[in-house]
Amino acid sequence: DTGVSQDPRHKITKRGQNVTFRCDPISEHNRLYWYRQTLGQGPEFLTYFQNEAQLEKSRLLSDRFSAERPKGSFSTLEIQRTEQGDSAMYLCASSYAGDRPQHFGDGTRLSIL
Amino acid sequence: DQQVKQNSPSLSVQEGRISILNCDYTNSMFDYFLWYKKYPAEGPTFLISISSIKDKNEDGRFTVFLNKSAKHLSLHIVPSQPGDSAVYFCAVREAAGNKLTFGGGTRVLVKP
Repeated sequence: DTGVSQDPRHKITKRGQNVTFRCDPISEHNRLYWYRQTLGQGPEFLTYFQNEAQLEKSRLLSDRFSAERPKGSFSTLEIQRTEQGDSAMYLCASSYAGDRPQHFGDGTRLSIL
Repeated sequence: DQQVKQNSPSLSVQEGRISILNCDYTNSMFDYFLWYKKYPAEGPTFLISISSIKDKNEDGRFTVFLNKSAKHLSLHIVPSQPGDSAVYFCAVREAAGNKLTFGGGTRVLVKP
């Protein structure tokens, strides 16, 4: 079990640029989640995939955000026209179906200059 | 409106003693409850969970208690060790749902 892997670990970009993050879940897990965490807060749900289907999106996920999981394995999260308020830790998690815990990666920290 | 609250932002405990962390929730539709531990610069690490059909679950030094009538969840760590120093988050999931809703976290410091 290699765990959930996220790349890059850190991303610094200028306001207005586009960024893309990648998540590789635990291979046996069919569910994949994206969360965002800001300083002093708990993680907040962004979106969820079961296999390749995106089944739920938070209202936090504005139209500048898009997530994909094209083959039901890895996932990407893209933010277009980044804003200062997008600065946060972006966490990916995966799980089996049912009453099974979600396992998190170490996140991608995004800093907007 | 916060659906999940951890009212103690921090807790300090002596090594070997018990740490008790508390979490309150508002929605009776939550049916699966979890605790995570987080070290700086790492993602949350799953500790222990409990479903709503139980009121207690134990795993080594960690025990989670669920009081559904009070909508209250607690985590007991005994004995506490210096390596337990971290931020602890409770998380809940709605029945037939998938996303987790997290509390704001409690920072635990275990003093040697």
